[in-house]
Amino acid sequence: RKEVEQDPGPFNVPEGATVAFNCTYSNSASQSFFWYRQDCRKEPKLLMSVYSSGNEDGRFTAQLNRASQYISLLIRDSKLSDSATYLCVVNEYNTDKLIFGTGTRLQVFP
Amino acid sequence: GAGVSQSPRYKVAKRGQDVALRCDPISGHVSLFWYQQALGQGPEFLTYFQNEAQLDKSGLPSDRFFAERPEGSVSTLKIQRTQQEDSAVYLCASSSYNEGKLFFGSGTQLSVL
Repeated sequence: RKEVEQDPGPFNVPEGATVAFNCTYSNSASQSFFWYRQDCRKEPKLLMSVYSSGNEDGRFTAQLNRASQYISLLIRDSKLSDSATYLCVVNEYNTDKLIFGTGTRLQVFP
Repeated sequence: GAGVSQSPRYKVAKRGQDVALRCDPISGHVSLFWYQQALGQGPEFLTYFQNEAQLDKSGLPSDRFFAERPEGSVSTLKIQRTQQEDSAVYLCASSSYNEGKLFFGSGTQLSVL
């Protein structure tokens, strides 16, 4: 079993739609959680950290469920520019080492 | 520039050739990471450094892979006797101590023929 698992998609949604991605992680001792975004042929970039109480950044909402060991990302009012791969990222306990999921591809169409 | 810089951007190697990939992290960043990304996959951890100390090299696929960061700044990933399965994008990232947020370079795309 991979340490961080995601549905690879693709998720094809129209502009304005709400879309949600989930991710599960295997190490219950993990402490830090992130969503990264990767555009085609580009490097990953930090989208947002994920906090235990849940957090929001504009149209993006991230949530963490420690008991079930899953993380979610909700995107409201999707834009064409949201088309990218979204990577779920978890740290290895007590280290700086970050483990990436395989990514979920989102395609927003007009 | 202020970002992570990697060179070369593209590298074509003949099978059996040795290659060296360079990474210049953001100035002052203590931690430096190397990841390997195959097409359609997420980045796979290779190794990481805190200053000049290599703290974890558990992700290096074989003893043909070697990384160093002798002065705690620039890092080099060396692959000896390259094989076709080594073809991938090699990403370098840096972060401040214990920040846990990575800043990536543009990567080196390695193609082994």
